[in-house]
Amino acid sequence: DVKVTQSSRYLVKRTGEKVFLECVQDMDHENMFWYRQDPGLGLRLIYFSYDVKMKEKGDIPEGYSVSREKKERFSLILESASTNQTSMYLCASRGQGGQPQHFGDGTRLSIL
Amino acid sequence: EDKVVQSPLSLVVHEGDTVTLNCSYEVTNFRSLLWYKQEKKAPTFLFMLTSSGIEKKSGRLSSILDKKELFSILNITATQTGDSAVYLCAHYNTNAGKSTFGDGTTLTVKP
Repeated sequence: DVKVTQSSRYLVKRTGEKVFLECVQDMDHENMFWYRQDPGLGLRLIYFSYDVKMKEKGDIPEGYSVSREKKERFSLILESASTNQTSMYLCASRGQGGQPQHFGDGTRLSIL
Repeated sequence: EDKVVQSPLSLVVHEGDTVTLNCSYEVTNFRSLLWYKQEKKAPTFLFMLTSSGIEKKSGRLSSILDKKELFSILNITATQTGDSAVYLCAHYNTNAGKSTFGDGTTLTVKP
């Protein structure tokens, strides 16, 4: 079974801090994704990556950056956290073609 | 830009009822429509519907795709409390390499 592991289930940070969310997958998938999920807004794509060191902006990239130095790891970075970035963050991976995505359990991030 | 709209946004039923969840889409290059179930944690995959596979069934759950009318439905018969979850519909865009999700339908099944 594919396993996507997010480093933290819950995280509390302060405004202005630099925040790192880590995601690791064990199925050698080329594609990895970061979403945020807010009530009534569904899943919104922040960034995705289709290969090591490659990244593409999603629908809401502002205030975020990503890093993919190794195939199995995809990091989301909040450069200077703000309260409107309080949300549930979901990481996903997918193999080639139109295969389903596999999701991590999510990180519930609170910015105070 | 691809658009996926789910309805209703929320639904409350009693055990044993049958429910139908709707997903309509407006996309530039249809490839596949996927359904996921999300309980308290990660969304888990249910079905994928494509031009060559427009009907899927697994136990009490089934789904169909109408490519002409641009919608899909997810049907759950004889609902159980364990079916309570958020159900997500997504379109996968081959050219863009990414999926567009609907806002989800929150289903609550009462005993």
